[in-house]
Amino acid sequence: GAVVSQHPSWVICKSGTSVKIECRSLDFQATTMFWYRQFPKQSLMLMATSNEGSKATYEQGVEKDKFLINHASLTLSTLTVTSAHPEDSSFYICSARSGSSLAGFRETQYFGPGTRLLVL
Amino acid sequence: AQSVSQHNHHVILSEAASLELGCNYSYGGTVNLFWYVQYPGQHLQLLLKYFSGDPLVKGIKGFEAEFIKSKFSFNLRKPSVQWSDTAEYFCAVNGGSQGNLIFGKGTKLSVKP
Repeated sequence: GAVVSQHPSWVICKSGTSVKIECRSLDFQATTMFWYRQFPKQSLMLMATSNEGSKATYEQGVEKDKFLINHASLTLSTLTVTSAHPEDSSFYICSARSGSSLAGFRETQYFGPGTRLLVL
Repeated sequence: AQSVSQHNHHVILSEAASLELGCNYSYGGTVNLFWYVQYPGQHLQLLLKYFSGDPLVKGIKGFEAEFIKSKFSFNLRKPSVQWSDTAEYFCAVNGGSQGNLIFGKGTKLSVKP
């Protein structure tokens, strides 16, 4: 159980185009999804937190108009990188946290496989 | 600000050697602590977690970690590593303002056959 998928797994696009990344919780309802970014040889950095049915909360320094997040249902969150530029090339990872009241399960985050974005 | 430190950037061991990866955190509140593993080309997988109770936590694949509150540490251990343990290991604490995880920089483990 507790599987999170991401699509696509990798994408190459031209500078100026927009890219949408989907994050799905396959066997549980995720009231909260997190979007992280991982640079080579570095740790995961939180970009934003999305709660189902409400606006995402962005971390300092992350442009909300550039990284659009939508959490329309309890199993799907999307990240759209608008007008992508080469500096947006990175590995984007989502994680999902259940709204379950079961102790332990609620606090545990399950990660998707990541999406590697290369902007030319 | 909350932070997680993993002091070893790259550890190289031979098979059957014992492993201990250090993790220290700075966070004043109640902590939930995690170790995740990322095998080459794969996504992050949960190895083990600590919420409360017995500070010695056993996880999958023979890994264990000990929470020492006085030292703000949560070191990962395995008595005998295998080549298949070659991966990157991330320590994390659930201390972000949004309930997000704060990660250490990771430790790359290379096990020589």
